[in-house]
Amino acid sequence: DAKTTQPPSMDCAEGRAANLPCNHSTISGNEYVYWYRQIHSQGPQYIIHGLKNNETNEMASLIITEDRKSSTLILPHATLRDTAVYYCIVRVRYNFNKFYFGSGTKLNVKP
Amino acid sequence: EADIYQTPRYLVIGTGKKITLECSQTMGHDKMYWYQQDPGMELHLIHYSYGVNSTEKGDLSSESTVSRIRTEHFPLTLESARPSHTSQYLCASSEGQVGGDIQYFGAGTRLSVL
Repeated sequence: DAKTTQPPSMDCAEGRAANLPCNHSTISGNEYVYWYRQIHSQGPQYIIHGLKNNETNEMASLIITEDRKSSTLILPHATLRDTAVYYCIVRVRYNFNKFYFGSGTKLNVKP
Repeated sequence: EADIYQTPRYLVIGTGKKITLECSQTMGHDKMYWYQQDPGMELHLIHYSYGVNSTEKGDLSSESTVSRIRTEHFPLTLESARPSHTSQYLCASSEGQVGGDIQYFGAGTRLSVL
């Protein structure tokens, strides 16, 4: 599975959009991009995933570049409850034996 | 919404004790996983299971063992706990769907071995 690179931390004002970047320059054609988040002392929570098209759900939007070497998770209106560590993961569909989480980005949403 | 439960949430135990961390899911998922996570660090896969009577070790070497006798239950056992086992243990499950697997995680068990 491809490794990912994320900034260690980011700040965002409450009510503004939070844009979290992820680089995955070694991604293969059959690997998906997944985003999870982990709020302190809880288990990771699934947010969104995609292969090559941009995706949107009730939580967030996922923008994947055309060459698929990077992506951005967008939280459109960040709240204090969105403060968490956000993980970008790249892996082959159904390949669960190597699910590398990496160190993620700590998003601090400030009032 | 996923339903996956871990017990206990917190456990403080002395060295040499045998412990079992429980994990159950009510979604009928075939695949289950155990991860270990030290504070502020990334998750490391220690065990996974394709289904009943199927278990495999993950990337991170672990002295723990697992069993999968029933689909919904995936307990993790440490025969003799040591301080080096102090960590958070996360259980997860997944079922394939269009676009790829999504893993659902339990709240975790925070283990402290004195």
